Amino acid sequence: DAGVIQSPRHEVTEMGQEVTLRCKPISGHDYLFWYRQTMMRGLELLIYFNNNVPIDDSGMPEDRFSAKMPNASFSTLKIQPSEPRDSAVYFCASSAGQDLNTGELFFGEGSRLTVL
Amino acid sequence: GQQLNQSPQSMFIQEGEDVSMNCTSSSIFNTWLWYKQDPGEGPVLLIALYKAGELTSNGRLTAQFGITRKDSFLNISASIPSDVGIYFCAGQLDYQLIWGAGTKLIIKP
Repeated sequence: DAGVIQSPRHEVTEMGQEVTLRCKPISGHDYLFWYRQTMMRGLELLIYFNNNVPIDDSGMPEDRFSAKMPNASFSTLKIQPSEPRDSAVYFCASSAGQDLNTGELFFGEGSRLTVL
Repeated sequence: GQQLNQSPQSMFIQEGEDVSMNCTSSSIFNTWLWYKQDPGEGPVLLIALYKAGELTSNGRLTAQFGITRKDSFLNISASIPSDVGIYFCAGQLDYQLIWGAGTKLIIKP
C-alpha cells in the first residue's frame, strides 16, 4: 500500500511568493495532520482534520498560513506571502481512528521549504 | 502549555554500545510513544506504551512507561549503524500528541 504522499519534496522560493504544499493521505484514514519541523522548535502541530473538517488549527502560526481538505484524499497547506522564517520541513501525517487510539501516525517524507 | 523534556539532546556512541534516553513531563499521559526519524524521512512509530509500569520490547529496543505516568525511557542494546537518526518521545492525551525535542543518535565509525 502507498504511504502518505507529499509534494513537492523540496521547494525554494523567494520571500513574498505563495507556497502550496500538497498531501495525499493513506486511503481509508480519516485523520490528517500537518506538522512543521525546525531545529529550533522541533515538531509542531499546525492543524488537523477529521473527516475533512478542520478540528484544531490553533497551531497555525498566523493568517499567512491556511490549510484545506476538499476531499478525503487530498489536502493543501498554503503560505501566502512566504517569509524566510517559514523555512522548515513540513510533514503531513494520517491515521485511522483506531490507530489514533494507539497513538500511531503515519508520516509522509516531508516537504523541505526554503524561503530566500 | 504541556511540554516534554527529552534527554540527552544528542549521543555519540560506538557501534555495539547500549543506548538509553528518556522523557519526563509535568503532565500525566495515557500513552507514551517512541518514534524514530531516519534522515530525510518522516517519523515512524517504534514502541507504544499504554499502562503505567509497562515494559515493552521490540527486538533490541526496550521501553518503559513510568509508574507515575509522567516519564518514559527507551533503551537500545548493541547499537548498529542503522540505528542512527532522531528518536522522539510523545505523550498522548485524547487525540493530541505532545512531542519531545528528540534525541539525535550518531554512531562513531
